[in-house]
Amino acid sequence: SAVISQKPSRDICQRGTSLTIQCQVDSQVTMMFWYRQQPGQSLTLIATANQGSEATYESGFVIDKFPISRPNLTFSTLTVSNMSPEDSSIYLCSVVKGDWDEQFFGPGTRLTVL
Amino acid sequence: AQSVTQLDSQVPVFEEAPVELRCNYSSSVSVYLFWYVQYPNQGLQLLLKYLSGSTLVKGINGFEAEFNKSQTSFHLRKPSVHISDTAEYFCAVKKGTGGFKTIFGAGTRLFVKA
Repeated sequence: SAVISQKPSRDICQRGTSLTIQCQVDSQVTMMFWYRQQPGQSLTLIATANQGSEATYESGFVIDKFPISRPNLTFSTLTVSNMSPEDSSIYLCSVVKGDWDEQFFGPGTRLTVL
Repeated sequence: AQSVTQLDSQVPVFEEAPVELRCNYSSSVSVYLFWYVQYPNQGLQLLLKYLSGSTLVKGINGFEAEFNKSQTSFHLRKPSVHISDTAEYFCAVKKGTGGFKTIFGAGTRLFVKA
């Protein structure tokens, strides 16, 4: 299994500011992902965080808005830049270890943008 | 490409009654199938998974699901629910080999009433 922690657990931010969310895993993992879960909706994959190289973004998400870092095999950050109320969501870090038969999820960061 | 449809957005049920949460998928290739549960203010937790072999899969907390290839379904069942089963349930699909992206359904809110 994998134990994932995220910081902060929640935050309330002003429009136009940026927030960096941290994801720490208790062991080395093969892949790390960032998801967004808007109120009452399912999970949408933002990007795959690649260790030592640029993240791979899904359609509709861009690096300028959601810069991602992954300096090693157990840590990643997601920044939500120039925030607007539409960015209010839960942001979830997720990892896969070894053979891909289960994804593990962090507890999420609940972001409210005023 | 794979897709997942959860046929019910909300399922209210009385405590100790049986429940079925429906999930259909579409894919032109073999897939892995998953059910995740999300309790309030928490991340996602794996309930069960189908990778291959027996089509009846048993998971945690007394849940089970049956893979039906001809009907492209993976419905989740529990013979007797508890108040503590109140949560959001997500069906998910991943390409069986070579793929790395997991696609999540829209979720089904299970509400267990006393």
